[in-house]
Amino acid sequence: AQSVTQLDSHVSVSEGTPVLLRCNYSSSYSPSLFWYVQHPNKGLQLLLKYTSAATLVKGINGFEAEFKKSETSFHLTKPSAHMSDAAEYFCVVSYTGGGNKLTFGTGTQLKVEL
Amino acid sequence: GAVVSQHPSWVICKSGTSVKIECRSLDFQATTMFWYRQFPKQSLMLMATSNEGSKATYEQGVEKDKFLINHASLTLSTLTVTSAHPEDSSFYICSAPTQLAGDETQYFGPGTRLLVL
Repeated sequence: AQSVTQLDSHVSVSEGTPVLLRCNYSSSYSPSLFWYVQHPNKGLQLLLKYTSAATLVKGINGFEAEFKKSETSFHLTKPSAHMSDAAEYFCVVSYTGGGNKLTFGTGTQLKVEL
Repeated sequence: GAVVSQHPSWVICKSGTSVKIECRSLDFQATTMFWYRQFPKQSLMLMATSNEGSKATYEQGVEKDKFLINHASLTLSTLTVTSAHPEDSSFYICSAPTQLAGDETQYFGPGTRLLVL
């Protein structure tokens, strides 16, 4: 069985300050991990993914995430928040042989203030 | 990157009518597609797995007679909400994996907002 826990339902930062969105996972197999972003009334856009290659993954729009197996974590970071980053962020896990089924975290709403 | 489209983007219908939502993979073939439902300010809930050329696989608690899924070709899956009622109002999203070797990435459609009056 696999599961994903996003530790914060809401995160608020000031524009220009760092962003940290936390994610912990549980998987019986070698997982693939993803971060998706969803803007209001839109579908999901892939930010980045980890699929057993480099543990530090760089994504679009300046986001990156580090896979830490010992901590079962895959936290999303960005050095400097922009107003356009305000959105809902989902941490997602799947595993090879799982039929491509995704398990979603509950989401983190990122608010960026001036 | 891979593109998945959905049509319509939003629909309003009367209670008791049926609504069909299309999900298309535009630049790749998808033998499998997934349908999700999302309530306001909540995460995505997997409803069913759509399989090209065979029956869909429904998640526990999802009524297969209520949510009819057809995967008629390698680029098209449809979800039909039959005899829709106000409680079926929701945001419906589909996704499809590119099925490249070793790549679990799924690409999502833009979603369909359904409002049943």
